Parts: sequence; C-alpha cells; structure tokens
Amino acid sequence: AQKVTQAQTEISVVEKEDVTLDCVYETRDTTYYLFWYKQPPSGELVFLIRRNSFDEQNEISGRYSWNFQKSTSSFNFTITASQVVDSAVYFCALKGETSGSRLTFGEGTQLTVNP
Amino acid sequence: GAGVSQSPSNKVTEKGKDVELRCDPISGHTALYWYRQSLGQGLEFLIYFQGNSAPDKSGLPSDRFSAERTGGSVSTLTIQRTQQEDSAVYLCASSTSLTTGELFFGEGSRLTVL
Repeated sequence: AQKVTQAQTEISVVEKEDVTLDCVYETRDTTYYLFWYKQPPSGELVFLIRRNSFDEQNEISGRYSWNFQKSTSSFNFTITASQVVDSAVYFCALKGETSGSRLTFGEGTQLTVNP
Repeated sequence: GAGVSQSPSNKVTEKGKDVELRCDPISGHTALYWYRQSLGQGLEFLIYFQGNSAPDKSGLPSDRFSAERTGGSVSTLTIQRTQQEDSAVYLCASSTSLTTGELFFGEGSRLTVL
C-alpha cells in the first residue's frame, strides 16, 4: 500500500520568511515517483516537481527547493523568501511501480503568507 | 482554452437525484483521471482511463458511481441516487502517457447534495 503523510495541516508565515513543508511517504516499491502540486484558491492543481526514487539529488528552482531523503522516507519542500502569491494548498503525492497509474496524495498543507 | 475543462463548475442537487459531471481533457492526452476532494481532505482517486485499455475503476466508492470516456476524449462521471456524503469537489486531470505523473487538472466541479 502507498501512503503519504503531510503532518502540517496549516502554516502561516509573514512575507519574506522561509518555510518548509514536510512530506513523509510509505511504499514497498523500489521504484517510485514523488511529486508536489500547488492548489491556489482557484482550485486548479498545478504540477511543481517530480522526483524518481533513484535520484536523491536535491533540486532548486528559483525560490523553491526540494530535499529528498530515502533514509527517512521524506520529500520536503522549502520556499525561500515567501511571497503572498505562494499562499495555496500544497500536496505531496506518490506513485509506485505497483500502483498502476494512480497517484496517492497527502492531505495537503494550507500555506498562508501574510504581508 | 487549452486546459482541462470541467462542467458544471457548481452543482446543487437533492438527495436521491442523479448527477452527471463532464470533463474535456487536453487534446491529445491519452490518460484521464477522476479524483474527489472532500472539504479539508486530500485527493481520493476514483477512476483512470488510458487509451483503449480497460479503465482502472478500483477507486470508485460504490456502485452508484460510474464513468465513461467516449471516443478517447470527453469523460462523464455519473453519480446515481446521490447522498450527502457525496458532496465534494470532483477533479478531472489528463496527461500524456509519456510523462509519468505530471497531471494537468481542471478547476473541478463542486457538488453539494442537500
């Protein structure tokens, strides 16, 4: 079975603060993919990143960075110098090689960035 | 537009009525997914279509739920004899078979069952 846990239900920060969203996953598959999606108030989820289980290199894209650690089954997402436009619900997701085509999503973290 | 289109955006219905939700995926995308998002919850997988293959219906919560995809494009999710617990946002997503897991989502259909 696949499981994704996002323990932080809500996070509130002040603009320009750095914030890390936690994601812990469970899978018995040796090959799997991890994802982050952003859901702004409009409701349409937007793909942010995909990482496969054989690539533990951290990735940085502008103010976004991701830390993948297989040893702790975590795939955390950090936003540096947060902005009001970063306010959204962020979902972590997992797709294992035995799960067919379905993605298993966490329950999401509501991030509010206050001016 | 070029994105995934869903209709209606909002639907209010009475308990016991049937509803149909429509999804028009991105042109050329062979894979189509339906997910359900209940208030404050994550996304719950419902069903997946890939090309002409048999759909993966393993996520449908009961036999009141069904979905079809005609001509490999538009999909309709049907809920029969709606119950209050069916109230949720129903999200449709599509993808190419070449891009693992990068789903393009519509804005969803919010269903309220009174």
